[in-house]
This record gives sequence, C-alpha cells and structure tokens, in this order.
Amino acid sequence: QKEVEQDPGPLSVPEGAIVSLNCTYSNSAFQYFMWYRQYSRKGPELLMYTYSSGNKEDGRFTAQVDKSSKYISLFIRDSQPSDSATYLCAITRYQKVTFGIGTKLQVIP
Amino acid sequence: DGGITQSPKYLFRKEGQNVTLSCEQNLNHDAMYWYRQDPGQGLRLIYYSQIVNDFQKGDIAEGYSVSREKKESFPLTVTSAQKNPTAFYLCATQGVIGQPLGADTQYFGPGTRLTVL
Repeated sequence: QKEVEQDPGPLSVPEGAIVSLNCTYSNSAFQYFMWYRQYSRKGPELLMYTYSSGNKEDGRFTAQVDKSSKYISLFIRDSQPSDSATYLCAITRYQKVTFGIGTKLQVIP
Repeated sequence: DGGITQSPKYLFRKEGQNVTLSCEQNLNHDAMYWYRQDPGQGLRLIYYSQIVNDFQKGDIAEGYSVSREKKESFPLTVTSAQKNPTAFYLCATQGVIGQPLGADTQYFGPGTRLTVL
C-alpha cells in the first residue's frame, strides 16, 4: 500500500463548478499536509499547507484535513479555466515529504 | 529575488552522450533533491543531498550521478547508461514552514525538459 494515494484523474468540470480533490494516507504519524499546483511544463508551486484537522481557507481554496479518516481534501470554489493544472498532495512526517501522484484538473469555459 | 533556478529549460541529447542539468538555489536550504516526472507516474526521486559533500541514492538512481560541492548547487548528470532519459526533471530544496510547529516542505525549480534524439 502506498503511503499517499491520489486519483490521477483527469477531472473535467465546467467553469464555476466547485471542485473537490482528495488524498488518503496510511500513516497516522504524518504531521503536515500540503497542496501543490503544477501547470503544464512548470515546477510545482506550494498552494496551501495545514497541520491540524479541520478547514483552512485562502480565497477560493479550502484545505480540509480529517485525521481520524486519514483523508485530506482541496476544494476550489467558482473554478476558473486558469485553475486547470495538476494538483499534488504532499504529507510530511518528521523530515520526510511524501507526494501523491497528482490529479489533473481541466476547467472548461 | 530568492528561489531555485534550473538550466537549461530544454535540452536535447544524442544517444550515448552524457548531459548535465544545473540547479542553483539562494534559499540557504541545506537539503536538495532531484526528481524525474513522467506522465502518469508522479514524482520519482533520483538523488538527494542533505549537506555539502554528501548525497544519497533515491529510488531510480541508476544511470544518473550528482555532486554537491557547494550549498547553492546540486548538478545532475544523465549518463549514457540511463536507458530512457527523456523526461521532465525537477530540482527541489527542503525548508521549514509553519508556526509554531514547523515542518518540512519542498520548493521546486521550474524544471528541465530533456529529450533524447
């Protein structure tokens, strides 16, 4: 079993939709939970991070962590074509960062 | 302007040639990483270095070599022994984020696209 599981998609949604991106993890000792956004042929950029259960909001983006279920989510409200990218979850345990495979999102105008 | 630079952005190699990809950072981070990214496979770790003059193999080190003579620089050489080198290569550094409980996260360069002709 992989330490971090993420559905690679692709996921296609119409502009304005609410997008839900998810990852599950296996080790309850994981400490920090992060989301990266990667545009085509670019390096991933850190989008959001959190270390506690619950929600963290930043503009149209909300990161949600449920430690009891070992489940993390990224919600995008009012999705835009510019949100079309691959989204990678990443989880830290001590100094080791483990990445999900990434979910490819396409927002159709 | 702090960050990670990778050069070149695009690189073409003939069969049997060695090529070196550059990675430079001014974030003052100790740890640096090289990943390979292929469609549908996510990030695969090639080599990493946690301190100058020391580095370790990652999951797919065969056919690659690195050096870490300076804190700021971590070049990757793709040798002729690498059977399928065409890929997107990403360099990353690792630093601490978050208060009060800091934890490590990684910061990525813009990548180098290597194509074997």
